[in-house]
Amino acid sequence: GDSVTQMEGPVTLSEEACLTINCTYTATGYPSLFWYVQYPGEGLQLLLKATKADDKGSNKGFEATYRKETTSFHLEKGSVQVSDSAVYFCALINFNKFYFGSGTKLNVKP
Amino acid sequence: NAGVTQTPKFRVLKTGQSMTLLCAQDMNHEYMYWYRQDPGMGLRLIHYSVGEGTTAKGEVPDGYNVSRLKKQNFLLGLESAAPSQTSVYFCASTKLAGDHEQFFGPGTRLTVL
Repeated sequence: GDSVTQMEGPVTLSEEACLTINCTYTATGYPSLFWYVQYPGEGLQLLLKATKADDKGSNKGFEATYRKETTSFHLEKGSVQVSDSAVYFCALINFNKFYFGSGTKLNVKP
Repeated sequence: NAGVTQTPKFRVLKTGQSMTLLCAQDMNHEYMYWYRQDPGMGLRLIHYSVGEGTTAKGEVPDGYNVSRLKKQNFLLGLESAAPSQTSVYFCASTKLAGDHEQFFGPGTRLTVL
């Protein structure tokens, strides 16, 4: 069945460091891919998405490129801020169903 | 717009008790979803609905029932709660199918003793 695998956390970085959170997927057909962010005590919010191969999603300095050849959708940011501290979820939608990765907690220290 | 709201925010049950979680959305969305979130496991889909009067099973439907009598509401029921159902439950809605963004509620933290 369809699934999403993302790197385990927590990831701890200093402010202004570079971030990469790896995400790979298994799916039949042509899924759309997403990154969601969850701040403490809140529900998930959409961060960015890509709907077809080679699309790049971007928002708030975060980027991810839909790589069909490697079935990956890695999240990157060139310079993280303390306010980026949250849990990040990679997800895909295929045939009306969403599948989420297990989440990666990011801690950014001042 | 309130977006997606969930009631209650917290609940403690004893094994065998029943309860209903309510999800409401005011965005006129067609699709609604119930997930559970457990440590290290991300979100897992329990049930979903593609429109008023419809429901379908997700990844982990056992022990839960749902109803979508009104377009704006999606109810999740536990008939006989078990400790394994201790979790945080999230409701979400989407305007349509496909690559549309899911909007999430704030979650309900349920503990079953």
